[in-house]
Amino acid sequence: GAGVSQSPSNKVTEKGKDVELRCDPISGHTALYWYRQSLGQGLEFLIYFQGNSAPDKSGLPSDRFSAERTGGSVSTLTIQRTQQEDSAVYLCASSVGQPQPQHFGDGTRLSIL
Amino acid sequence: AQSVTQPDIHITVSEGASLELRCNYSYGATPYLFWYVQSPGQGLQLLLKYFSGDTLVQGIKGFEAEFKRSQSSFNLRKPSVHWSDAAEYFCAVGNQGGKLIFGQGTELSVKP
Repeated sequence: GAGVSQSPSNKVTEKGKDVELRCDPISGHTALYWYRQSLGQGLEFLIYFQGNSAPDKSGLPSDRFSAERTGGSVSTLTIQRTQQEDSAVYLCASSVGQPQPQHFGDGTRLSIL
Repeated sequence: AQSVTQPDIHITVSEGASLELRCNYSYGATPYLFWYVQSPGQGLQLLLKYFSGDTLVQGIKGFEAEFKRSQSSFNLRKPSVHWSDAAEYFCAVGNQGGKLIFGQGTELSVKP
């Protein structure tokens, strides 16, 4: 079956611009996660959605970062006023529930000029 | 605080040789433990998981891992490495709260 789909696969933008990254989880998966992977920081948790519960936003690095999940399916991660330190690969994952294994997409590579 | 340590940043083994990748964790309760593999430009693929029960778990691609509570370790092993196993390997710990905490990763190179 289809896995976790992320778009775009690559995004290059200028410092100060806003960007939106999209994640389409595996059908039927109620939990959705965003992680960031960078050379200096490794893999970091950003945010987690589980069903209709309030999301766990404890990993968002600043208020420039936000995410939403519409209809319990597709999620969008938005970064406002991008900075060069936001350059990283943003990974999305989904799972059937908790504590089930997370299945990852191929990521969006974000480059801030 | 919860943490995962992978002591080896880079390991090189010869094709056909055995492999052991180390992982140590710090966690207050019984952890859920995972090993993932990442090839360049791709996302993470789950190799195996430990939730409870038998401390020796089998995964895909011939990998296995052993949970040792007394040593806070969850080392990954493979008896005979193939060239296609060259990739980066991540150990992770999770709980019912959802998020995973990852180690820094171990890059595996395979010599012909």
